Amino acid sequence: EVQLVESGGGLVKPGGSLRLSCAASGFTFSDAWMSWVRQTPGKGLEWVGRIKSQSDGGTTDFAAPVKGRFSISRDDSKNTLYLQVNSLRTEDTAVYYCATDCSSGSCHVDPPMSYWGQGTLVTVSS
Amino acid sequence: DIQMTQSPSTLSASVGDRVTITCRASQSISSWLAWYQQKPGKAPKVLIYKASSLESGVPSRFSGSGSGTEFTLTISSLQPDDFTTYYCQDYSGYSRTFGQGTKVEIK
Repeated sequence: EVQLVESGGGLVKPGGSLRLSCAASGFTFSDAWMSWVRQTPGKGLEWVGRIKSQSDGGTTDFAAPVKGRFSISRDDSKNTLYLQVNSLRTEDTAVYYCATDCSSGSCHVDPPMSYWGQGTLVTVSS
Repeated sequence: DIQMTQSPSTLSASVGDRVTITCRASQSISSWLAWYQQKPGKAPKVLIYKASSLESGVPSRFSGSGSGTEFTLTISSLQPDDFTTYYCQDYSGYSRTFGQGTKVEIK
């Protein structure tokens, strides 16, 4: 059974930083492209960014609102995905989800985000 | 960047109704369109991908159509469990842009 478990959320002051983690199990994590998606309380979904598998280069892409402030990394030996969030703003307050993503080789047959974690809440407030 | 616009934002309907939600892309995304259902306090669940492919385990009352810039999600006969929020998502390029969501509520 695929499981994704996020952790690391909490209350942080504007300008602060956090590192979110996503522990994965039940699939070959090292082969997977992974995305982070956030949801502001009571609002819609916003894609944050994605990391490719190491075999596909391990590169990252980000949405414009977070580019330069957020980074994504992975530790395939620990089956864990990370989201480093820096220079936090009040508008970054959201539930942050990790999700599996389809790759350039699988998107023609697989959905883009089949599995999701339960989310971790980040609150940015003074 | 591609923008995704859903309509309506809210839809009022009754059990048994046929409902349609529309999603428009700001430029052609071919068939790289997914639909998700999200219930309060839960992560989204994929219903449809590649515009019209039904995800395994999703009831057949859900269907998707369209290509290019205009897409629809149809629920052929609304069930009590279907009153919740739906999102479209573009995955044509490096990003994964979502629409703003459509809430299906009980009339």
